[in-house]
Amino acid sequence: KAGVTQTPRYLIKTRGQQVTLSCSPISGHRSVSWYQQTPGQGLQFLFEYFSETQRNKGNFPGRFSGRQFSNSRSEMNVSTLELGDSALYLCASRDLSGANYGYTFGSGTRLTVV
Amino acid sequence: EDKVVQSPLSLVVHEGDTVTLNCSYEVTNFRSLLWYKQEKKAPTFLFMLTSSGIEKKSGRLSSILDKKELFSILNITATQTGDSAVYLCAVENSRDDKIIFGKGTRLHILP
Repeated sequence: KAGVTQTPRYLIKTRGQQVTLSCSPISGHRSVSWYQQTPGQGLQFLFEYFSETQRNKGNFPGRFSGRQFSNSRSEMNVSTLELGDSALYLCASRDLSGANYGYTFGSGTRLTVV
Repeated sequence: EDKVVQSPLSLVVHEGDTVTLNCSYEVTNFRSLLWYKQEKKAPTFLFMLTSSGIEKKSGRLSSILDKKELFSILNITATQTGDSAVYLCAVENSRDDKIIFGKGTRLHILP
């Protein structure tokens, strides 16, 4: 079974630009969650999508948005990038219909804003 | 608001030592507590705990949950340099299925 795939692996953007990150979940997993990881704050929850609908949302500004497609692939978008958006963005999928609700994580996208 | 606090934030020990990592939590509707190991990028799943007092074991790693005192510990015996990583604790809320992580414990094993 293929794991969670995130693209791109690395990204360098300039302040004010926008960026789109992609995540393909494990086959059969319909829930996709996004986290931002920084050294000072740890993993912070951005949002979760299930069956193309946003189920949960963290405490991030509206510049952070996401969507999920019918094949469960998800994208997250950050507009008007700020230096503080530099982080590792992790995507995780899970099977909410199973007994094990734990996540499987992708390897992340390292975003650097300059 | 749900909260997970891990301690210590960082730890340096020598190979062969035993370490205990702590995780305390506050969650309105507890479903499970999860431990992950993060070496480079992708956190990898270690344990899921749902019941108090039942130890989960995998090789030199073990973990236990106390739902009355709202904490869990992760033990690693006979540590090896390959155990160097960030260990993440998370709790899952059964009301909305949200999973909240602590800031992690950075463990460094000296040869």
